[in-house]
Amino acid sequence: ETGVTQSPTHLIKTRGQQVTLRCSSQSGHNTVSWYQQALGQGPQFIFQYYREEENGRGNFPPRFSGLQFPNYSSELNVNALELDDSALYLCASSTEGLAKYEQYFGPGTRLTVT
Amino acid sequence: AQSVTQLDSHVSVSEGTPVLLRCNYSSSYSPSLFWYVQHPNKGLQLLLKYTSAATLVKGINGFEAEFKKSETSFHLTKPSAHMSDAAEYFCVVGSSDSWGKLQFGAGTQVVVTP
Repeated sequence: ETGVTQSPTHLIKTRGQQVTLRCSSQSGHNTVSWYQQALGQGPQFIFQYYREEENGRGNFPPRFSGLQFPNYSSELNVNALELDDSALYLCASSTEGLAKYEQYFGPGTRLTVT
Repeated sequence: AQSVTQLDSHVSVSEGTPVLLRCNYSSSYSPSLFWYVQHPNKGLQLLLKYTSAATLVKGINGFEAEFKKSETSFHLTKPSAHMSDAAEYFCVVGSSDSWGKLQFGAGTQVVVTP
């Protein structure tokens, strides 16, 4: 069984640039959630994708957007990067229904905005 | 809205002594509660979950947690700490909506001394 994978591991961008982060879900999982973890804080929910549609969103501006593909992998896009976007971005996969809270996390992508 | 409060930002224990990590929750309904662990440079790993079955929940690596509705608490314990338990621990509540958003606490950093 393949776990959740994310790429790249680390990324350095300049303020104002755009970034794309990628996530491959665990085998058999059709739902992907994205979280932002700032240094010294707990992860914050960004949004969730289910059947290629955004299924729910946290308190993040529209410059945070995403996609889910037919194979259930997902991308997180952030436009007009700000210094406060520097964080660990975590992807989690799950299934729907009663198991929706059993989310399996990838190792994360560390984004640094300078 | 649901939320969790982790009462200690840092806990230091000696190897072989008990570990207690405290968590209080706020929820208008019967919550789904979780504990996750995050080792340095690793993804989040689910330790255990409470979903309205038995109030004493056993997890991996010897951890357990007790759900106490009267105290709105979900404290995590382990009888004997091991050096490998040094990590960040997060208490988490599942949202009441249909999409399984996880709401994380701020985390407790556990240090284990020889």
